[in-house]
Amino acid sequence: GQQLNQSPQSMFIQEGEDVSMNCTSSSIFNTWLWYKQDPGEGPVLLIALYKAGELTSNGRLTAQFGTTRKDSFLNISASIPSDVGIYFCAGTSGTYKYIFGTGTRLKVLA
Amino acid sequence: GAVVSQHPSRVICKSGTSVKIECRSLDFQATTMFWYRQFPKQSLMLMATSNEGSKATYEQGVEKDKFLINHASLTLSTLTVTSAHPEDSSFYICSAREAGHPNQPQHFGDGTRLSIL
Repeated sequence: GQQLNQSPQSMFIQEGEDVSMNCTSSSIFNTWLWYKQDPGEGPVLLIALYKAGELTSNGRLTAQFGTTRKDSFLNISASIPSDVGIYFCAGTSGTYKYIFGTGTRLKVLA
Repeated sequence: GAVVSQHPSRVICKSGTSVKIECRSLDFQATTMFWYRQFPKQSLMLMATSNEGSKATYEQGVEKDKFLINHASLTLSTLTVTSAHPEDSSFYICSAREAGHPNQPQHFGDGTRLSIL
């Protein structure tokens, strides 16, 4: 099925550093979601975005709905070891189905 | 809020066995639930959309007779992998969307690790 492109695929960072990742689509979306998945578990919703240009925070996480409506960004500030995991974006154009990104695997070095 | 429970979390069984996986929305009603399959180090691939009171909608390439879905109530959907074979081994995850606006986020269960010997 169709997938969204996420970048980077993986990243190793030092504890305390900020992290940025993005998600791009060839289609226009009207909702973007960001999830985090820990090994052996289901994804957990982090942030939901519903308007182009919207900037929403959840603790140290901030996500933005791109103005072109074809991309979204997630930033994590002052990373900590428990931020390790796989981050997925998901988008929908208004149908009931969400398309998921390829994932960004984050590893934090203490 | 928005808790989705999936059971069992892990199944190991012999080839030819049928396996049923349950997905429950604990604190909300879900007219639509989704079943995904995830291979190691890969993203989630939608298998089918489960609609309460009607037939499931399967994605292209997913055998509906192999993966039986039942959504008998607003809080429960089941996926039955019939006559499972080793190639069916995977991580299966369900999600549920609260009744209301179509763009409501999906909330996921913790997944079921299926291993067919």
